[in-house]
Amino acid sequence: QKEVEQDPGPLSVPEGAIVSLNCTYSNSAFQYFMWYRQYSRKGPELLMYTYSSGNKEDGRFTAQVDKSSKYISLFIRDSQPSDSATYLCAMSAGGGYQKVTFGTGTKLQVIP
Amino acid sequence: SAVISQKPSRDICQRGTSLTIQCQVDSQVTMMFWYRQQPGQSLTLIATANQGSEATYESGFVIDKFPISRPNLTFSTLTVSNMSPEDSSIYLCSVEKRGGPYNEQFFGPGTRLTVL
Repeated sequence: QKEVEQDPGPLSVPEGAIVSLNCTYSNSAFQYFMWYRQYSRKGPELLMYTYSSGNKEDGRFTAQVDKSSKYISLFIRDSQPSDSATYLCAMSAGGGYQKVTFGTGTKLQVIP
Repeated sequence: SAVISQKPSRDICQRGTSLTIQCQVDSQVTMMFWYRQQPGQSLTLIATANQGSEATYESGFVIDKFPISRPNLTFSTLTVSNMSPEDSSIYLCSVEKRGGPYNEQFFGPGTRLTVL
């Protein structure tokens, strides 16, 4: 069993839709939960990070962490064609350097 | 933040040869990382490179296959040695920048390697 599971998609949605991206994990030591966005032929860039359980909102993006279920989500409201990318969840046990474990990524396409 | 460049951006190589990938950062950083990203698989850490010390390799990766240099605080190289088609992948350089409770990782654009 992988430490982090993520549906690879692809996920196609119409412009303006609400997108839900999810990951599950097995390691209880994970405390920091990140979402990276990766455009084609580019390196991943950090979108958001959350510490422990709870929600965090940044513009159209909301990250949720449910540690009791070992489940994290990223919601994108009013999705735009520019949101088309691969979204990677990532987790680590500490905020200082701790090894980061990535999901396989979900490819999202927002259709105009 | 950190701006990272990698050379080459892509290459096609023959089996049995070696390729050295360069990573340049626009500011001094303590820790640099090398990842491999294969289709349908998660980003996999190959090794961590600190300036002035030997690189630390993850399980499944060895120095003879992936020698790493870290001559200063802004530069590192990863060599993929004696390549086989299974080494075809995207190789990414990453750095960690300290700030606040979480140390963010920044990634380079990647080197797309195809081994024939």
